Amino acid sequence: ETGVTQTPRHLVMGMTNKKSLKCEQHLGHNAMYWYKQSAKKPLELMFVYSLEERVENNSVPSRFSPECPNSSHLFLHLHTLQPEDSALYLCASSLTTEPAYEQYFGPGTRLTVT
Amino acid sequence: AQSVTQLDSQVPVFEEAPVELRCNYSSSVSVYLFWYVQYPNQGLQLLLKYLSGSTLVKGINGFEAEFNKSQTSFHLRKPSVHISDTAEYFCAVAPSSGTYKYIFGTGTRLKVLA
Repeated sequence: ETGVTQTPRHLVMGMTNKKSLKCEQHLGHNAMYWYKQSAKKPLELMFVYSLEERVENNSVPSRFSPECPNSSHLFLHLHTLQPEDSALYLCASSLTTEPAYEQYFGPGTRLTVT
Repeated sequence: AQSVTQLDSQVPVFEEAPVELRCNYSSSVSVYLFWYVQYPNQGLQLLLKYLSGSTLVKGINGFEAEFNKSQTSFHLRKPSVHISDTAEYFCAVAPSSGTYKYIFGTGTRLKVLA
């Protein structure tokens, strides 16, 4: 595997379920990100990790809980979601959090909350 | 704070014709500028970026963009498009110092017609 991978690619969950999204990067990067992509809206930055420490929580509701056990893996734990949380969730990584370094994106997880 | 405006939500163009996708930004500090492309069912991929120096930036797949500070614009151009260029294109801006926070535009869907 190369680049940034995300699993699952598609997820349908009820409002009372608990599920997790997984992201793995094979680029040796030190920064990882979660974004939410909704139709007709700009990408929304949710969380940022640098060297496994969370450096940003962009006013995200507590029903989204990130975890970064090491610099290669990032999880997004989901519980009691709302229908408006349905979106494409993108993971990205970069060498560091310096903005000059490009972010490499995974293919995303398409989440549908029923 | 920064903001990005992509006025065209959709741009249809015939194959082998030139195309320009517009991006305007607002910022009180120096910024880096980026164009990303998203093909169907994929994550975002960097096309090109402006950090400093020459205002004409060349990227992958024959795309180029020109940074115009006085007009606060960073328009993307390609002299001759192919069917395979059909995708969503995102302009993004980030402050050149301190923060990792990319601000993305809402995207422009380029549809290349045969």
